[in-house]
Amino acid sequence: GIQVEQSPPDLILQEGANSTLRCNFSDSVNNLQWFHQNPWGQLINLFYIPSGTKQNGRLSATTVATERYSLLYISSSQTTDSGVYFCAVGGFSGGYNKLIFGAGTRLAVHP
Amino acid sequence: GAGVSQSPSNKVTEKGKDVELRCDPISGHTALYWYRQRLGQGLEFLIYFQGNSAPDKSGLPSDRFSAERTGESVSTLTIQRTQQEDSAVYLCASSSPGRATQYFGPGTRLLVL
Repeated sequence: GIQVEQSPPDLILQEGANSTLRCNFSDSVNNLQWFHQNPWGQLINLFYIPSGTKQNGRLSATTVATERYSLLYISSSQTTDSGVYFCAVGGFSGGYNKLIFGAGTRLAVHP
Repeated sequence: GAGVSQSPSNKVTEKGKDVELRCDPISGHTALYWYRQRLGQGLEFLIYFQGNSAPDKSGLPSDRFSAERTGESVSTLTIQRTQQEDSAVYLCASSSPGRATQYFGPGTRLLVL
């Protein structure tokens, strides 16, 4: 099945800093989503981005499907950005809706 | 509008007992998913329902796990003869027709003693 690797596993930032989170995947995908899991465990969908670039406020994401990676950019980080960021993919072979999650990047933003 | 809801929010049970977990998807969402998240780990796909089609059960870890869905509404995940390794957060998600974005509920935290 598809393998999903996220890096870095842990990230500590000072408020106001920028960061880039990476997601590599081992096979062609036609479904890629980024999620934020807050410290209380709630998962929030950030982007559906199987290809191209999207922006939403301080967050943006880029997926280069041909090179099998996606990047999540966080600018001017805030303490409320803390939590775990997950990349999840669905592929042609495994099933579009059957999302395979990476292990996540744990982000801590300090004031 | 209302999001995905799950109940109970917490469940403590003894090894060997059966448990039922419930998920109410967002109204109008035809697709429903169950995932399991062990402590400090990513999510594992369990099962996927889409309308009246046969569910994709390929992620269920053993025959002790089963799930049902009534039409396009409530789903229940049943774990029979629970084991300590079943302890995890069980998350439900739903998505609207023709859309891939999945919306998650708050999860049920299951502890098997």
